[in-house]
Amino acid sequence: AQTVTQSQPEMSVQEAETVTLSCTYDTSENNYYLFWYKQPPSRQMILVIRQEAYKQQNATENRFSVNFQKAAKSFSLKISDSQLGDTAMYFCAFIRITGTASKLTFGTGTRLQVTL
Amino acid sequence: DAGVTQSPTHLIKTRGQQVTLRCSPKSGHDTVSWYQQALGQGPQFIFQYYEEEERQRGNFPDRFSGHQFPNYSSELNVNALLLGDSALYLCASTILGQPSTDTQYFGPGTRLTVL
Repeated sequence: AQTVTQSQPEMSVQEAETVTLSCTYDTSENNYYLFWYKQPPSRQMILVIRQEAYKQQNATENRFSVNFQKAAKSFSLKISDSQLGDTAMYFCAFIRITGTASKLTFGTGTRLQVTL
Repeated sequence: DAGVTQSPTHLIKTRGQQVTLRCSPKSGHDTVSWYQQALGQGPQFIFQYYEEEERQRGNFPDRFSGHQFPNYSSELNVNALLLGDSALYLCASTILGQPSTDTQYFGPGTRLTVL
């Protein structure tokens, strides 16, 4: 079974600063994807960024980037130039690549507050 | 491009009642998954439907059942509601047919309160 751990229940960052959210996971699989989802108070779970395990290059989406360390089973999210709209719960998630049915396994989330 | 939609937004039921939640997947998607998110927790996988069949199931009792229709939309049914069933129920869609993707896109959720 796969597990995802987010050890930071809450974090705070000032607007325009950079913040890093941590995530570790445990799996015996070799083919999988990792995701960061954002859930603002509106409750909609929004995809932030995705990383394929077979890719060595870290994924980047505008102000969001990841540090993927496969051997260490670590997958952190860096948010640069933080904005008030980044305030949300952030969930790290894992999915095993099977070609058939698949499910996401989520961490417990990190609540990020961006302040003025 | 229509995203994932869910109805209703909110629902209040009493213990022992039955509830049906509905989901329409993102345009072009053929697979629907359901997740339960208790307050302050990450979502937990309930089950996944593809080609109108349940393909995978999480650790949820048989009180939780589902259905997928030919147009790929899906229903989640919960019987004999318990107080502990109070949660946000999220629907996510993806593509298992070709070309497949392992990225799931979520709807806005249905908030179920059991009194």
